[in-house]
Amino acid sequence: QLHLQESGPGLVKPSETLSLICTVSGDSITSGDYYWGWIRQPPGKGLEWMGSIYYSGSTYYNPSLKSRVIISVDTSTNQFSLRLSSVTAADTAVYFCARPRYGSRDFDCWGQGTLVTVSS
Amino acid sequence: DIQMTQSPSSLSASVGDRVTISCRASQSISNYLNWYLQKPGKAPKLLIYAAFKLQSGVPSRFSGSGSGTDFTLTITSLQPEDFATYFCQQSYSTSITFGQGTRLDIK
Repeated sequence: QLHLQESGPGLVKPSETLSLICTVSGDSITSGDYYWGWIRQPPGKGLEWMGSIYYSGSTYYNPSLKSRVIISVDTSTNQFSLRLSSVTAADTAVYFCARPRYGSRDFDCWGQGTLVTVSS
Repeated sequence: DIQMTQSPSSLSASVGDRVTISCRASQSISNYLNWYLQKPGKAPKLLIYAAFKLQSGVPSRFSGSGSGTDFTLTITSLQPEDFATYFCQQSYSTSITFGQGTRLDIK
């Protein structure tokens, strides 16, 4: 059964770079036509899609975050990563990694999420 | 970006009730509309994709309808586990966007 797990620092200082890893288990990240995604949710607020990546490294990003976001993939470790630069308090959120249904952009498998707080 | 607007923002209902939640897109998205349920502290769960297709394992009391810009999620005979927040999401554009959410509370 597919399992996704986010990991990374829970606290990041303003102006620094937030880095998270999503570890995929139960299936290979190269197994099919999936664009693996990152979605975040500020406390008490709605969901914001940040970007998605194919195992080949092809990416597409939320235009509002594109200048600050880099998503990468490491097929040897079955992981994909998120880097968000120049963070502010507004980037405080629960960050989820997720996999969509085959060949689609609706997400049927999610990690549990990890809270990242931006504070000095 | 395609803006997604849900209504109402919150809703109170009782066990056994029938409820509907609406989602409107700022431009036509054909049937590329998906619905999620989220409980506090948990990841969202996909309920319906492609406007009306029930995700595997989702009870049949959930249904979706609509196309173009206007969509509806209907829950018949509310169960205690259905009280949660619901989000719509468009997957028409590669720039994926979500609605702001509808919180469903027990009356």
